[in-house]
Amino acid sequence: AQTVTQSQPEMSVQEAETVTLSCTYDTSESNYYLFWYKQPPSRQMILVIRQEAYKQQNATENRFSVNFQKAAKSFSLKISDSQLGDTAMYFCAFMITTSGTYKYIFGTGTRLKVLA
Amino acid sequence: DARVTQTPRHKVTEMGQEVTMRCQPILGHNTVFWYRQTMMQGLELLAYFRNRAPLDDSGMPKDRFSAEMPDATLATLKIQPSEPRDSAVYFCASADRTSGRFDEQFFGPGTRLTVL
Repeated sequence: AQTVTQSQPEMSVQEAETVTLSCTYDTSESNYYLFWYKQPPSRQMILVIRQEAYKQQNATENRFSVNFQKAAKSFSLKISDSQLGDTAMYFCAFMITTSGTYKYIFGTGTRLKVLA
Repeated sequence: DARVTQTPRHKVTEMGQEVTMRCQPILGHNTVFWYRQTMMQGLELLAYFRNRAPLDDSGMPKDRFSAEMPDATLATLKIQPSEPRDSAVYFCASADRTSGRFDEQFFGPGTRLTVL
């Protein structure tokens, strides 16, 4: 079964500090793509960062970076210099291709609150 | 800038009524997804289309839900008859399978449906 587990339902961090959100996943596929999405109170799902599983180098987008451990099936998100605007739900997800179709699996989310 | 649009943004209806939600994918995107988000189930994929043809609708209750793409600029999700358990936020997302970042989905703002 393809699953994504986010073990931290809620987290908080002080403004300007660093926080790490955990994500583990399970798949028997060898080629897949991993994502972190942000959903602020506006409900809009925004792609934060993506990682191709065949690439060993961890993806980075400004203050956001990932720690991708393929063998451990772990894909954590690090937010540096946290800002109030980072307050949101964060969803970890991955995509696999099966027989020409694409399947996306999402985790249940981590609610992050950045404190002033 | 290019974005996915969804109408209506909010819909309140009574049980038994027909509900139609519309999505306009990003121009040139050839793949469209419909998701449902609830507190209990999280984000679930209902159906998706490529080049207007349905590729996977296994997540959709067939007896009351239907999804179509009458043309490349419009996707619809219909519920008939609606039930209180259908209350959720419904997201549309689109992707360009011909691009180098074919795995990347762009989400619309969602339709919040309340069935009384």
